[in-house]
Amino acid sequence: GQSLEQPSEVTAVEGAIVQINCTYQTSGFYGLSWYQQHDGGAPTFLSYNALDGLEETGRFSSFLSRSDSYGYLLLQELQMKDSASYFCAVTLMEYGNKLVFGAGTILRVKS
Amino acid sequence: GAVVSQHPSRVICKSGTSVKIECRSLDFQATTMFWYRQFPKQSLMLMATSNEGSKATYEQGVEKDKFLINHASLTLSTLTVTSAHPEDSSFYICSARPAATGYEQYFGPGTRLTVT
Repeated sequence: GQSLEQPSEVTAVEGAIVQINCTYQTSGFYGLSWYQQHDGGAPTFLSYNALDGLEETGRFSSFLSRSDSYGYLLLQELQMKDSASYFCAVTLMEYGNKLVFGAGTILRVKS
Repeated sequence: GAVVSQHPSRVICKSGTSVKIECRSLDFQATTMFWYRQFPKQSLMLMATSNEGSKATYEQGVEKDKFLINHASLTLSTLTVTSAHPEDSSFYICSARPAATGYEQYFGPGTRLTVT
């Protein structure tokens, strides 16, 4: 089976930098994705790593190390609107290339 | 671009009735659509994968006779919850994968189902 572990909650202050880690156990996946979900809303795509290394998209960066079965999402210059749940997910190499999600990390940004 | 809509956004139904949820890709063709269920404070759990014109593939533990999925066109998939029970109350989210991309899924806004 597949499993992805994330911290359940992270708290940080406005303007700070926060890192949300994701460790996984899975065989055969194309890449690691990150999604943001606000209360009552749908997940929105943030970032995708197919290869090892860092991907940067504005204030958000994501990192993957396949040898360590580990990835992280880095959020810089935190804003109050970044308070949300963040999910890592792997795209499996099987029928439909389905996504398997981690349990999610609630990020609380304080002023 | 890459917008996915769901209808209805919220629905309340009585136990024993059936409810249909529509998922549409508005500006792209989706060969594959996915249906997820999310309970409060939990992650998204994949229920089934559907390809246009073929039967859906259900995840282990998901009753295919209870959750009927139809993917009749490249822009529309429907999920029908039959004989709904209060424990079926949940947030149902669909996603669609464009035919041209290999990995990205675009999510609909979700449907909040409450069964009384």
